Parts: sequence; C-alpha cells; structure tokens
Amino acid sequence: EPEVTQTPSHQVTQMGQEVILRCVPISNHLYFYWYRQILGQKVEFLVSFYNNEISEKSEIFDDQFSVERPDGSNFTLKIRSTKLEDSAMYFCASRAPGSSQPQHFGDGTRLSIL
Amino acid sequence: TQLLEQSPQFLSIQEGENLTVYCNSSSVFSSLQWYRQEPGEGPVLLVTVVTGGEVKKLKRLTFQFGDARKDSSLHITAAQPGDTGLYLCAGFILTGGGNKLTFGTGTQLKVEL
Repeated sequence: EPEVTQTPSHQVTQMGQEVILRCVPISNHLYFYWYRQILGQKVEFLVSFYNNEISEKSEIFDDQFSVERPDGSNFTLKIRSTKLEDSAMYFCASRAPGSSQPQHFGDGTRLSIL
Repeated sequence: TQLLEQSPQFLSIQEGENLTVYCNSSSVFSSLQWYRQEPGEGPVLLVTVVTGGEVKKLKRLTFQFGDARKDSSLHITAAQPGDTGLYLCAGFILTGGGNKLTFGTGTQLKVEL
C-alpha cells in the first residue's frame, strides 16, 4: 500500500540553525500538510499546501517556517532559525482530491533542538 | 471552541473486555477520522465517517458518527493486547475549519493479558 515517507527519522540541531524536513507524499495525492506534535501534547496543524502554494497556515507557522515542493515528489518544511520550543515530532500528510478523502500520515521526524 | 475532547484520556483493561472511546465537540464536522498511533510512528488511519448517524465496522471495532456530526464513538469488542495504542479522532470543521484536521486530545489504551 502506498505510504507517505519522511526523512530523516531523527534530526538533532543546535539552536539557531536551519533545518529542512523532507517528505515524499503518496504519488497521486495533490494536497499536502505539515503537523507537529510536542511531546505529551496533541497533534497540531501547521500548514496546508495545494497547487504549489500555501492554502492555509496556523499561528504556529510564522516567518521562521517555509514549505516548498521543489520537484514532483518531495515536499519540504524549512525552519530558518530553530528555537528550543521547536523540538517536536513533525508529521507530513497528504490526501487525494475529494473533500471527504482522509489524510495519510508519515511516521514523522523527531526534531531535537539543543 | 474548535476543541475535540476525547474521553477517557487513559484506559487500562483486561483482554476480552469491551470498551468505548468518545470524541465530542461543540463544532459540526464535515467528516471525522479515527487514527491509531504507536510510539515513534505517525497516526494510521482506521476509518472515515461522513454522514450523520453513520456506523462503520472494522473487525472488532465499531465507529459511529453522531446524528448532528458533532461527536463520534469508537467501540472495541473483546479487546486484545494488540489493540494497545493511542487512539485519535480528528475532523474537518464544517464552517471556518478550512482544509486542516483538528485533532482530539487522544485516548491511551492499554490491554493486558
């Protein structure tokens, strides 16, 4: 069964450094998302992306964050200058066209900021 | 509020028991999904419910969407240790919710032998 894949599985970075989290969505999906889950807390929406542009973003997704679909397969989340509070699991999700289609999630990248 | 409240937050039961997990909100959802999440992994989709009053069954799991599409329940019959995990409800809010999933607070289930 097709799945969303994310790399790396774990990223350790010094505070203030830039990180890029990578995702390969399911191939026929057109809608892409990033969520994060701080340890012990619920999954929170960051951003949705469709037709090569952001369609919606949360208050968490400030100017330090950006997303890109650099080619036909990858979907990336960049954090420009990481902060300690950025430490979390970051999940990528994608879904097929159709408003009732569910989102399928990758296994996440654990981001640890030191 | 757009919060999805799940109850109970934690549940520890013996193998063979039945259980029900509830997911409630004051908002109406166009659709609602149930996911299961294992430690260190992403949420795995179990089911999507779309129509008010809809009931879906997945082996020993029964999912129901409330008539008003504000709540949902997950019932597990004869629970097994393999059912252990974090169960999450998540939905698309009908009005003003946009394209994002709003996640519930989660129910951590532990099934013991």
